[in-house]
Amino acid sequence: AQTVTQSQPEMSVQEAETVTLSCTYDTSESDYYLFWYKQPPSRQMILVIRQEAYKQQNATENRFSVNFQKAAKSFSLKISDSQLGDAAMYFCALNNAGNMLTFGGGTRLMVKP
Amino acid sequence: NAGVTQTPKFQVLKTGQSMTLQCAQDMNHEYMSWYRQDPGMGLRLIHYSVGAGITDQGEVPNGYNVSRSTTEDFPLRLLSAAPSQTSVYFCASSRRGFSATEAFFGQGTRLTVV
Repeated sequence: AQTVTQSQPEMSVQEAETVTLSCTYDTSESDYYLFWYKQPPSRQMILVIRQEAYKQQNATENRFSVNFQKAAKSFSLKISDSQLGDAAMYFCALNNAGNMLTFGGGTRLMVKP
Repeated sequence: NAGVTQTPKFQVLKTGQSMTLQCAQDMNHEYMSWYRQDPGMGLRLIHYSVGAGITDQGEVPNGYNVSRSTTEDFPLRLLSAAPSQTSVYFCASSRRGFSATEAFFGQGTRLTVV
C-alpha cells in the first residue's frame, strides 16, 4: 500500500514572502508520479505541479517549485512571492498504479496581507 | 464549458434513502473515478473505471455502486445512505491514467445524510 503524509495541517505566510509545504510518502515502486493540487474555497481541484520520479530535475511552474528527494521520499512545495490568491488547501498526491491517486490529508495555507 | 460536470452540487438525504450522483465528461477520457473528501483525510478513492464496461474498487468502496455504460458517464449510486457517507464527493477523469496526464476534477457534490 502507498501512503502520503502532510504533517502541517495549517501554514501561514506574509504576502510576497516564500513558504514551503511538506509532504512525505511511501511506496514500494521505483517508478511513480507525484502531484500538488490546490483547492480554493470554490472546492475546485487545480493541478499545481507534477513530478515524475525517474526525473532527477525538480519541477518548476512559475512561482511554484518542488524539492524532490527520492531517497528520503520527500516532496515539498515551495511558493515564492506569495499572493492572496494562493490561499487554499494544498494536497500532495502519489500515483504508481496508473489508476489511483493517493492523497495526503492536506495543508491549509493562509496568506496575510 | 468543457470538462467534468457533476450533479447535484448539494444534497441532503435521510438515512436509508438511495440516490445517484451524476458525472459526465466531454473530453473523451478513458479513465474516470470517484473520490470522497473528509476533513483531515484528503481524498480517498471509491471506485474507478478504465473504459466503458470496466470498473474496479478503490480504497473505500463499501456502500457504493458504479457502472460505465458509455465513455462520457460514470454515475455513483448510494444504495442505502448512512450518516458515515456524509462527505464531499468528487468525480475525476483523465486520458489514460493519472500518471502521465492531468486529472480533471468536477466541482464536487456536498452530501449530508441525516
